[in-house]
Amino acid sequence: EPEVTQTPSHQVTQMGQEVILRCVPISNHLYFYWYRQILGQKVEFLVSFYNNEISEKSEIFDDQFSVERPDGSNFTLKIRSTKLEDSAMYFCASSEPRDRGTTGELFFGEGSRLTVL
Amino acid sequence: DQQVKQNSPSLSVQEGRISILNCDYTNSMFDYFLWYKKYPAEGPTFLISISSIKDKNEDGRFTVFLNKSAKHLSLHIVPSQPGDSAVYFCAASGARGQNFVFGPGTRLSVLP
Repeated sequence: EPEVTQTPSHQVTQMGQEVILRCVPISNHLYFYWYRQILGQKVEFLVSFYNNEISEKSEIFDDQFSVERPDGSNFTLKIRSTKLEDSAMYFCASSEPRDRGTTGELFFGEGSRLTVL
Repeated sequence: DQQVKQNSPSLSVQEGRISILNCDYTNSMFDYFLWYKKYPAEGPTFLISISSIKDKNEDGRFTVFLNKSAKHLSLHIVPSQPGDSAVYFCAASGARGQNFVFGPGTRLSVLP
């Protein structure tokens, strides 16, 4: 069964350092997302990406964050200068458009745990 | 401002009985809802969906009910099994958007 894969599974970094989290979405999906979950809190939407551009983003997704689809398979989240409060589990997801007659559900990866010291 | 609420942070149910997980939303533009299950250290796994043109959708042991006028949906699991023990998230999306807003989750414990 196709799945979303994420690397690394866990990254520890110093405050102020740049971090890149990588994702390989399901190959025939067109929408890509990043969500995060701070420990003990809810899953929060960060950004969605379609047709090589950001389609929606939340207020969490400020100038420190960026996303990129550098090639036909990878989808990356970059945090330019990490802060302590960026420590969280980051989930990548992908989906097909609902107008294709699918349920449009998001398929999530296993997550990348980011720890900022 | 919580657009999607799950007011019960936890729920315990005896194996074999029915589990009912509730979700309320405030945004009347939401028209599509998903339920996800999440085990620790794993990504959320899709369970079942419902669109606003329906009031019920069933898939095996899982049934989701939608009451649009009350802006309320519920997930019924029957019979509940110990493997159902996980955190359940309700998620909602509007007609134009593809992203989903998640509720805070309800931790279900099914006791043998």
